[in-house]
Amino acid sequence: AQSVSQHNHHVILSEAASLELGCNYSYGGTVNLFWYVQYPGQHLQLLLKYFSGDPLVKGIKGFEAEFIKSKFSFNLRKPSVQWSDTAEYFCAVYQAGTALIFGKGTTLSVSS
Amino acid sequence: EPEVTQTPSHQVTQMGQEVILRCVPISNHLYFYWYRQILGQKVEFLVSFYNNEISEKSEIFDDQFSVERPDGSNFTLKIRSTKLEDSAMYFCASSSQIQETQYFGPGTRLLVL
Repeated sequence: AQSVSQHNHHVILSEAASLELGCNYSYGGTVNLFWYVQYPGQHLQLLLKYFSGDPLVKGIKGFEAEFIKSKFSFNLRKPSVQWSDTAEYFCAVYQAGTALIFGKGTTLSVSS
Repeated sequence: EPEVTQTPSHQVTQMGQEVILRCVPISNHLYFYWYRQILGQKVEFLVSFYNNEISEKSEIFDDQFSVERPDGSNFTLKIRSTKLEDSAMYFCASSSQIQETQYFGPGTRLLVL
């Protein structure tokens, strides 16, 4: 069965630092990949997604992610974080069927 | 922008009681989902629903759980006899097509005492 690993449980950064959050999935077939964000007190929102095509995808608020098929990875990046990026970040994968499989989430704390 | 809404935002119930969690998916979406997140754990898939029937369900979705679309707008999750371990945040989601982006509601925090 598909599983998703997010290796960073809690990341603490200062404003303007660069961010990379790791995400690996276990199954090597065709996958649709997502990053969701949950700001404090808010619901899960889509940051970006990859279905096919250019493996470097750009999302909202300056986030991007790179799909590397050979590494089963879909890491999230942002060149310069802001205090408002403080949130929980979830990687999720469709493999087959209708279920989204989520990673455990990474809490990002950004200090100003 | 259309949103998924959920009610109530919080529910406290006694073990063994029935609870119904309600969701209003985005109006032109065809696929509906329930997920749950126990505190400190992953968001876990429970069930998906399309064309008035369950498309897929996880091992968690046992006979204590049921889903229904009682009218053209609501989508409900019923837990017949709640257990302590059912305490979690329950998220509803909807999508326009299979394997497309799922849009999530704000969640219902269920506490079973």
